[in-house]
Amino acid sequence: GENVEQHPSTLSVQEGDSAVIKCTYSDSASNYFPWYKQELGKRPQLIIDIRSNVGEKKDQRIAVTLNKTAKHFSLHITETQPEDSAVYFCAAKNSASKIIFGSGTRLSIRP
Amino acid sequence: DAMVIQNPRYQVTQFGKPVTLSCSQTLNHNVMYWYQQKSSQAPKLLFHYYDKDFNNEADTPDNFQSRRPNTSFCFLDIRSPGLGDAAMYLCATSRDQDLAKNIQYFGAGTRLSVL
Repeated sequence: GENVEQHPSTLSVQEGDSAVIKCTYSDSASNYFPWYKQELGKRPQLIIDIRSNVGEKKDQRIAVTLNKTAKHFSLHITETQPEDSAVYFCAAKNSASKIIFGSGTRLSIRP
Repeated sequence: DAMVIQNPRYQVTQFGKPVTLSCSQTLNHNVMYWYQQKSSQAPKLLFHYYDKDFNNEADTPDNFQSRRPNTSFCFLDIRSPGLGDAAMYLCATSRDQDLAKNIQYFGAGTRLSVL
């Protein structure tokens, strides 16, 4: 079955610096890759997504890149702010149309 | 405005005592999902309903059941909770099953404790 690996599990960056979270997937038929942000005690919320026909997508300070050949996709957050502190989950929609989540990255922004 | 509402937010039950968690939605979405999320782990899909059609994940224990009496409501029943079932249970909805075209909306979750 589909496996989504996510690294790192924890990440601490200085406020204003960039943060990068990386994921790999195993099902080459996966064609949709959402990213969720989950603040402590709150629900996961979709922050950005990318489809397999696109290599990069940006939304203000957030960008996602996809390398279909290598089966890698990454989340980039620039000019990090304290409110970016949360757990981030990558995910992939596999050939059975199921969303498979990565194990999560706890991002902490140091003031 | 909450669109996917889960009640209660916190539930405490005793080992082996049946418990039911509730989810309702105001979005009129066709699909409702139940996920289990243990501490520091990713959400794990237990099952989902597409309208009235129930879809169980292969590795979901028989101890977990679900009911969807109408479009708006979906229940998660845990017949005999064990200590290992303590987790956050997340309900989610989407208009249709193709999640590449339909955003999945999550509820705030019910945190279940088993004593």
